[in-house]
Amino acid sequence: QEKVQQSPESLIVPEGAMVSLNCSFSDSASQSIWWYQQHPGKGPKALISIFSNGNKKEGRLTVYLNRASLHVSLHIKDSQPSDSAVYLCAVSRGTGANTGKLTFGHGTILRVHP
Amino acid sequence: DPKIIQKPKYLVAVTGSEKILICEQYLGHNAMYWYRQSAKKPLEFMFSYSYQKLMDNQTASSRFQPQSSKKNHLDLQITALKPDDSATYFCASSQDQTNTLYFGAGTRLSVL
Repeated sequence: QEKVQQSPESLIVPEGAMVSLNCSFSDSASQSIWWYQQHPGKGPKALISIFSNGNKKEGRLTVYLNRASLHVSLHIKDSQPSDSAVYLCAVSRGTGANTGKLTFGHGTILRVHP
Repeated sequence: DPKIIQKPKYLVAVTGSEKILICEQYLGHNAMYWYRQSAKKPLEFMFSYSYQKLMDNQTASSRFQPQSSKKNHLDLQITALKPDDSATYFCASSQDQTNTLYFGAGTRLSVL
C-alpha cells in the first residue's frame, strides 16, 4: 500500500522567506504527485502537480520530482502570511489502475509571520 | 460561490444511529469522491464514482454506503454509527479520474 511521508511536521518562517517542503512516497509506479493547501475549516485546494522527473514552476511555486529517490519537494518563493496553512502531498496510482484515488501525507503546518 | 456544496456543515449523532451526508457539485464534473479526515490520520480515500457508477471502494465496512441519485450528487449514508466514525468527511469531484480534485468544505461529524 502506498505510503506518503512529509517533512517537516511544522514550519515557522518570516514573511518573504523561501519555504521548502518535502515529501517521499513508496510506490515507484505512482502516476502524479500533487500538492494541496488546506486552511482551517476548509477543504483542500490543489496548488500544483507534477508527473515527469524534473521541475515545474507556477508563479511563486516550484515543485521538484526525483522518481529515482521517490522524493518530491515544493518551494514557495517570497512567502506571505496568507500562505499560512497545512500543505498536503498526495500521490495518484499508476496508469491503468487509476480510479481517482489519491493517497495523502499527514501534511506540513506552515506559519508565515509578518 | 462554492461549487461543491456539502450539507450539513456540522453533525452530532448518537452511537447506533444513522445519518446521511449530502454532496452536490456544480462544476459539471463526471467523477465524484468521498474522503475522510480524522484527528490522527491523513486524509483517506473512501469511494470514487464515475458517471454515477462505483469505481473504487476502500472502506472496510458496509456501514458506509454512497448514493448517487443524480449525476451531480453523491450522498453518503452511514449506519450504526460509532464514536470512531467521528471525522470530517469531504466530498470532491473531478473531470475524469486523472485530473485535479476539487474539494467541498466538509461535514464535521461527531458521534457521542
